Amino acid sequence: GQNIDQPTEMTATEGAIVQINCTYQTSGFNGLFWYQQHAGEAPTFLSYNVLDGLEEKGRFSSFLSRSKGYSYLLLKELQMKDSASYLCAVRSYSGGYQKVTFGTGTKLQVIP
Amino acid sequence: NAGVMQNPRHLVRRRGQEARLRCSPMKGHSHVYWYRQLPEEGLKFMVYLQKENIIDESGMPKERFSAEFPKEGPSILRIQQVVRGDSAAYFCASSPNAGTSSHEQYFGPGTRLTVT
Repeated sequence: GQNIDQPTEMTATEGAIVQINCTYQTSGFNGLFWYQQHAGEAPTFLSYNVLDGLEEKGRFSSFLSRSKGYSYLLLKELQMKDSASYLCAVRSYSGGYQKVTFGTGTKLQVIP
Repeated sequence: NAGVMQNPRHLVRRRGQEARLRCSPMKGHSHVYWYRQLPEEGLKFMVYLQKENIIDESGMPKERFSAEFPKEGPSILRIQQVVRGDSAAYFCASSPNAGTSSHEQYFGPGTRLTVT
């Protein structure tokens, strides 16, 4: 089976940097995704990592260590609109097909 | 290129009625996924379908729930004899054909089901 852990909630200040961690246990690992979900809306894709290292995309960066089963999402220069839930999702290959499993999400509140 | 479409966006049903949720994937996508999300909770996988095939239904409740993705037309998630506990947001996502590339899942706007 798969197990994905993220903090439930985080609070950070506008203009600051915040790191949201995700640990996972899975067999057949084949990629990790981060999604952003504003309250009442659909999740939207932020990043994808399949190799170890850091992927940077504007104010958002995502890091992966496959050996440690660990990823983080780094948000820089926080804005109020970044208040949302951030979902870590792990793709694995099992039983002949790809499967994506979502964590429960980290609710980030950005305060002035 | 239209995104993933779901309808209705809001659905109210009385206990015991049937709910039918529709999902049209993005053009060119043949993989469809259904998720359920309770308020303040994460996405729970329900079922993964390709055209005319159910690939993984390990997240579907054994009774009252069914899903299909016919050769023509949208994917349908059907809930029979709804109960209050079925009230949730149901999201559909689609992805392109196969592969191990960075093909993420594209999500529809969701259907919010309320059972009264």
